[in-house]
Amino acid sequence: EPEVTQTPSHQVTQMGQEVILRCVPISNHLYFYWYRQILGQKVEFLVSFYNNEISEKSEIFDDQFSVERPDGSNFTLKIRSTKLEDSAMYFCASSGEAGSGQPQHFGDGTRLSIL
Amino acid sequence: AQSVTQPDIHITVSEGASLELRCNYSYGATPYLFWYVQSPGQGLQLLLKYFSGDTLVQGIKGFEAEFKRSQSSFNLRKPSVHWSDAAEYFCAVATSGTYKYIFGTGTRLKVLA
Repeated sequence: EPEVTQTPSHQVTQMGQEVILRCVPISNHLYFYWYRQILGQKVEFLVSFYNNEISEKSEIFDDQFSVERPDGSNFTLKIRSTKLEDSAMYFCASSGEAGSGQPQHFGDGTRLSIL
Repeated sequence: AQSVTQPDIHITVSEGASLELRCNYSYGATPYLFWYVQSPGQGLQLLLKYFSGDTLVQGIKGFEAEFKRSQSSFNLRKPSVHWSDAAEYFCAVATSGTYKYIFGTGTRLKVLA
């Protein structure tokens, strides 16, 4: 079964540094998402992306965050100047449709640790 | 605002016992409802989903869930739990026209041998 893959599985970064989290969504999917899960807390929506633009974002997704689909397969989340509170598990997801209830398929996540 | 409540943070059951995990949502119309499972160090795996129609839905690994509109609930059940079911379970809600899922806080299931 096709799956969403994320790299790296664990990223350790100094506070203030830029970090890029990478995702390869399922190949025929058109909608892409990022979520995060701070340790011990619920999974929170960050952003959705369709047709090369952001379709929806949460208030967490401020100017420090950006997303990009640099080629036909990768989907990236960039944090420009990391803060301690950015430490979390970041999940990428993709779906063939959106707003219709078609399920999102999640990757295994990237654990981001900010020192 | 939409919300999802999973009242039980931890549940412990014996292997072979039945299981019910509770999920309540707050939304004016009928939402799309999902249950995901997260094993330690892994991502979220879809167990089952409800869009419309039959209110009892079957999922993978022997799980089922029942949508009850009158109670705004979507509880997950399994008749006989296996040790490998130990994980964290998340209920999620999506609504027509939006892209995001809203997750509950999760229920951590422990299975006793």
